[in-house]
Amino acid sequence: EPEVTQTPSHQVTQMGQEVILRCVPISNHLYFYWYRQILGQKVEFLVSFYNNEISEKSEIFDDQFSVERPDGSNFTLKIRSTKLEDSAMYFCASSRQGANLYEQYFGPGTRLTVT
Amino acid sequence: QQQVKQSPQSLIVQKGGISIINCAYENTAFDYFPWYQQFPGKGPALLIAIRPDVSEKKEGRFTISFNKSAKQFSLHIMDSQPGDSATYFCAASEDTDKLIFGTGTRLQVFP
Repeated sequence: EPEVTQTPSHQVTQMGQEVILRCVPISNHLYFYWYRQILGQKVEFLVSFYNNEISEKSEIFDDQFSVERPDGSNFTLKIRSTKLEDSAMYFCASSRQGANLYEQYFGPGTRLTVT
Repeated sequence: QQQVKQSPQSLIVQKGGISIINCAYENTAFDYFPWYQQFPGKGPALLIAIRPDVSEKKEGRFTISFNKSAKQFSLHIMDSQPGDSATYFCAASEDTDKLIFGTGTRLQVFP
């Protein structure tokens, strides 16, 4: 069964450093998402991406964040200058169609620890 | 108005019992309501989903009940098993790309 994969599983970085989180969505999916989950809290939407551009972003997704689909398989989230409060689990998700039309499938997540 | 309120925060059920988790929303434009199951250290996994044109959907031991007028929906897990012990999130979406998640319910099923 196809699945969303994410690397690395755990990333430790120092405050102010740049990090890139990587995702390989399910191959025939067209919509891609990043969510985050601070420990013990709910899952929060960050950004959605379709047709090589951002289709929607949340208030959390400020100028420090960017997303890219550098090739036909990878989808990345970059945080330019990490802050302590960026420490969270980051989940990539993909969907064949938009959020309200088709199921979103989540990857296993990357735990980001900012020290 | 974008919030989805979920209760209870935690739930303890004996094996074979029924687990019931409730969610409420305000935004009447929401038209897709999935439930996700999350085990520790894993990503959310889609369990079951419903649209507002039906009042109930059943898949195996899992049932969603949907009350459009009350703007509430609930997940029922029949014959709960220890393997069902996980955190459950309700979510909602309108004609946009994002899922709005509830705060989660930690379910523990004891033998």
